[in-house]
Amino acid sequence: DQQVKQNSPSLSVQEGRISILNCDYTNSMFDYFLWYKKYPAEGPTFLISISSIKDKNEDGRFTVFLNKSAKHLSLHIVPSQPGDSAVYFCAALRGGGSEKLVFGKGTKLTVNP
Amino acid sequence: EAGVAQSPRYKIIEKRQSVAFWCNPISGHATLYWYQQILGQGPKLLIQFQNNGVVDDSQLPKDRFSAERLKGVDSTLKIQPAKLEDSAVYLCASSLDPGRLFYGYTFGSGTRLTVV
Repeated sequence: DQQVKQNSPSLSVQEGRISILNCDYTNSMFDYFLWYKKYPAEGPTFLISISSIKDKNEDGRFTVFLNKSAKHLSLHIVPSQPGDSAVYFCAALRGGGSEKLVFGKGTKLTVNP
Repeated sequence: EAGVAQSPRYKIIEKRQSVAFWCNPISGHATLYWYQQILGQGPKLLIQFQNNGVVDDSQLPKDRFSAERLKGVDSTLKIQPAKLEDSAVYLCASSLDPGRLFYGYTFGSGTRLTVV
């Protein structure tokens, strides 16, 4: 039962253009959605999050959009830089006790110079 | 602040052997998590500690996996006996308290286990 789905295993974009990474979920009880970035041989690092009561959160070049009716969220990176090349994980959690993160399988982003 | 420390970074063992991983969370972080990441998949929670008590171990294969967090600081995760399907990266993470989860956990670099 995969509650968080990232259907694109990989994405390639040109430097300076927009990167859009997508994520779908099935559990309407999730309270928060988070994006993590992972470089090879390192642990995931927190990037940005959004509460389920919001529809947008922005932090510099990174913006996360949430569409609750469609159970869909997306991460926009503008402009994309070669250093953004990494695996991006979408994650979700329910508060109130066991606050475990449920992760998608990840999308490998490659930003070409 | 210092990050989450894990050791060893890599471990290769034969099936049916035992192995242990160590984690030192960020100082003052009450909550500690162990995740398993199999190649090509996202991390999956194995166990969550709040101080030295277990909050969630519903996905821990208790017939072979065990974990402890003595004194509410360091933690060890043990596998005995190991199976081929235990090959994965084992990630430790910590957070200040559950109420700050909007800001995410901090993960360590992980231990890559290969069972042959």
